[in-house]
Amino acid sequence: GAVVSQHPSRVICKSGTSVKIECRSLDFQATTMFWYRQFPKQSLMLMATSNEGSKATYEQGVEKDKFLINHASLTLSTLTVTSAHPEDSSFYICSARSGQGAQSEQYFGPGTRLTVT
Amino acid sequence: DAKTTQPPSMDCAEGRAANLPCNHSTISGNEYVYWYRQIHSQGPQYIIHGLKNNETNEMASLIITEDRKSSTLILPHATLRDTAVYYCIVRASGSARQLTFGSGTQLTVLP
Repeated sequence: GAVVSQHPSRVICKSGTSVKIECRSLDFQATTMFWYRQFPKQSLMLMATSNEGSKATYEQGVEKDKFLINHASLTLSTLTVTSAHPEDSSFYICSARSGQGAQSEQYFGPGTRLTVT
Repeated sequence: DAKTTQPPSMDCAEGRAANLPCNHSTISGNEYVYWYRQIHSQGPQYIIHGLKNNETNEMASLIITEDRKSSTLILPHATLRDTAVYYCIVRASGSARQLTFGSGTQLTVLP
């Protein structure tokens, strides 16, 4: 299957700093990428959807000025957590979609563990 | 997209078949059933999907009832590495929407 990578796999940062997470589709072009967040013992919650070359669409309750998403190419999307706080500590997972329709697949990255101290 | 209902947890003996049920009684005719799993601290992994016919691949088999209101994911010979949370998701064909995850089933394969 298609491969989605994320970098870094884990990051520890101090409160108030910003952190950038990269998501790449390695062997396919992803017109749409999704960012999810997962807190311990909970399911994945969608944060935002981004289409290449356009602004991301954020889910209700997700601050667009705090979680900056850039989808500059068909193989790269970045999520920047600005002015991070301890409550932003979570497991961030990106997903990339190949193709369109129900026959298209949504592939997931390995996740990035963010710890804000 | 239709809502799904799964048992919160199941155990299975290593080497035995693991049968994970999913109810999707409000599924529409154009909605597919997808199964993903998430091993602890990893991203979700695609397993299989189907519309109305039973499907099989190298990982699992998917059995969908004739009325399509429920399905069962079968791992024929469970191993310890199959311990994970398994998610059953229903999504419409042609939908540009993301996959929406419920709470899933925690499958624990016991030695």
